[in-house]
Amino acid sequence: DVQLQESGPGLVKPSQSLSLTCSVTGYSITSGYYWNWIRQFPGNKLEWMGYISYDGSNNYNPSLKNRISITRDTSKNQFFLKLNSVTTEDTATYYCARAETGTFAYWGQGTLVTVSA
Amino acid sequence: DIVMTQSHKFMSTSVGDRVSITCKASQDVSTAVAWYQQKPGQSPKLLIYWASTRHTGVPDRFTGSGSGTDYTLTISSVQAEDLALYYCQQHYSTPRTFGGGTKLEIK
Repeated sequence: DVQLQESGPGLVKPSQSLSLTCSVTGYSITSGYYWNWIRQFPGNKLEWMGYISYDGSNNYNPSLKNRISITRDTSKNQFFLKLNSVTTEDTATYYCARAETGTFAYWGQGTLVTVSA
Repeated sequence: DIVMTQSHKFMSTSVGDRVSITCKASQDVSTAVAWYQQKPGQSPKLLIYWASTRHTGVPDRFTGSGSGTDYTLTISSVQAEDLALYYCQQHYSTPRTFGGGTKLEIK
């Protein structure tokens, strides 16, 4: 069965970049589907951030403007999130998830990232 | 962006009751609505997609319905383990958007 696991720093300073890794087992990220980042703010609001597809194309939430980049390493079966110029409003639990027909059937366990000086 | 509105932030119910959680889209999303359950300390789990199709392994007490802009998740006989947050999400267009969530409390 497919499994996803997020990893990365739990604390980032304001104005710096947030970088997270999603490691995927049980399915090749180049075989199909869309590989997403979703975050959940304190208070539980969920926000879809964007995806990298099996063919390497991207789709990002316009609300993140030019701050976001999702890339991948196919040799390691991993994909990555980079969010630039973070503020305290980027404090959230970050999830990676696999999408099929736009719905998220498989999620990682999530990783809390706090933005603080 | 399509706004998904769950008007009830909290709902209180008893074991064995039938409960319906509603979600309204800001425009017609042509049944492209999913429902998720999130228990404390866990990631969300997909229950329903295309408004009424149960995901693999989801108990049949969970039923989705709706069309146009109005959608409902019904739990026919609530169990204690159904204590959770429930979210709707539209998969009609990007950016994908979620409702604010409804917390189901068991009396």
